[in-house]
Amino acid sequence: ELKVEQNPLFLSMQEGKNYTIYCNYSTTSDRLYWYRQDPGKSLESLFVLLSNGAVKQEGRLMASLDTKARLSTLHITAAVHDLSATYFCAESISNNDMRFGAGTRLTVKP
Amino acid sequence: NAGVTQTPKFQVLKTGQSMTLQCAQDMNHEYMSWYRQDPGMGLRLIHYSVGAGITDQGEVPNGYNVSRSTTEDFPLRLLSAAPSQTSVYFCASSYVGSYNSPLHFGNGTRLTVT
Repeated sequence: ELKVEQNPLFLSMQEGKNYTIYCNYSTTSDRLYWYRQDPGKSLESLFVLLSNGAVKQEGRLMASLDTKARLSTLHITAAVHDLSATYFCAESISNNDMRFGAGTRLTVKP
Repeated sequence: NAGVTQTPKFQVLKTGQSMTLQCAQDMNHEYMSWYRQDPGMGLRLIHYSVGAGITDQGEVPNGYNVSRSTTEDFPLRLLSAAPSQTSVYFCASSYVGSYNSPLHFGNGTRLTVT
């Protein structure tokens, strides 16, 4: 079965700590996307990773892509409360279609 | 710039009723799609379209119909609502053929079928 697996599904962190969310996908896609969703809200795009070895950073978040291992990571550095949200990775299936992971619900505690 | 607009925001239906979820975008995106979001399952693709007059099925199309008569609009029709269709529905759009184009999502429609 083709699927996208994220882990962990739930993550509770202390402010100031570092952590990594993992995303394993099943196809040979070379495009991987990360989205953020706040409770009760829509999804917003965080990163678009387009090739093997791609690395993108925005503030305290850094995403990377290893197409050979079919693995993407979202690294959180020195977490702050504002990062609390659900994070989804999604692989490109065809055209603009995407297959989403189940999401990682991140809670950052003071 | 409105982006992707979905209506209604909330809807309660009885089993067997039909309804249409509306989606409109003003970004001139060729690609539009409908996803449903259920707890613990991420988002699953229902139907998509790569341009006016062209639609296709996604992962979970049963019980839903779509049409694309204009570039801007992509309504989703529930033919005979069932409790299993209780979910949050998101419409999304993007450019076709641009590898750097993520999906732009609407604010969602929360549907409850009793």
